[in-house]
Amino acid sequence: DTGVSQDPRHKITKRGQNVTFRCDPISEHNRLYWYRQTLGQGPEFLTYFQNEAQLEKSRLLSDRFSAERPKGSFSTLEIQRTEQGDSAMYLCASSPPLAGTGSYGYTFGSGTRLTVV
Amino acid sequence: DAKTTQPTSMDCAEGRAANLPCNHSTISGNEYVYWYRQIHSQGPQYIIHGLKNNETNEMASLIITEDRKSSTLILPHATLRDTAVYYCIVRVEDRDDKIIFGKGTRLHILP
Repeated sequence: DTGVSQDPRHKITKRGQNVTFRCDPISEHNRLYWYRQTLGQGPEFLTYFQNEAQLEKSRLLSDRFSAERPKGSFSTLEIQRTEQGDSAMYLCASSPPLAGTGSYGYTFGSGTRLTVV
Repeated sequence: DAKTTQPTSMDCAEGRAANLPCNHSTISGNEYVYWYRQIHSQGPQYIIHGLKNNETNEMASLIITEDRKSSTLILPHATLRDTAVYYCIVRVEDRDDKIIFGKGTRLHILP
C-alpha cells in the first residue's frame, strides 16, 4: 500500500448532474472518513465508516449525498443533483483499528476537487 | 473535543526555527494535542502528538506547557517545503471518532 487513493483527482460537472467519487483506504485500516474542504477553511467532517457500517453522518451530509462502503474496503461518495455550493475538495482518510497504546491519527488521501459549473 | 486557537498566519525565514503556537485552555485531562499540516493541493498529514511531556520526532518537536493550556510546534530548520497550513487539534487518543479541524495557521517560509 502506498497510502489512501482517491479517484478522480479533479471533476468538473454541470449543475444538476450526479457525481461519484471513490476512496481506497490503506488495506489494514478498518475506519474510513469523508471530509469536505472549501477554500480557506479546514476540512469539515461528513461521515465515518467502521468496516462496512456507517456510524456517523454530519448534518452537512444532505439527502443529496450518500456514502457507501459495501465490503468494508473501498468507499464511494455520491452527490446527486449537484449545486454550485458543492464545489469543494472532498477528502478521504483512513485509520487502523483502535490500538489502545497510541494512534498516529489518520492518513489522508490527496482529495477529489469538484467544480460545479 | 476542546477548541483550539491559532494565529491565522506566520512567516519564518528559511533555515530558522518555526515556532507555531496553539492555545487550548479548555483541554481535558485525557485529551492529547495533535498537529497536522496540509501542503497546497494535498490532504492533511500527521506530524506529532503528545499528552503532557514534550515530544520529538523526525519532523518536529512539540512543547506542551505544564498546565497544558497551550503548546508550541517547532520545526527546527524550516525549508520552503514546510510552507503549509498547520492545524492544532485536541482529542482523546485512540478515540473512535472524527477529528474536528479549525482554520489552522498558514505558515510561509521565506527564502
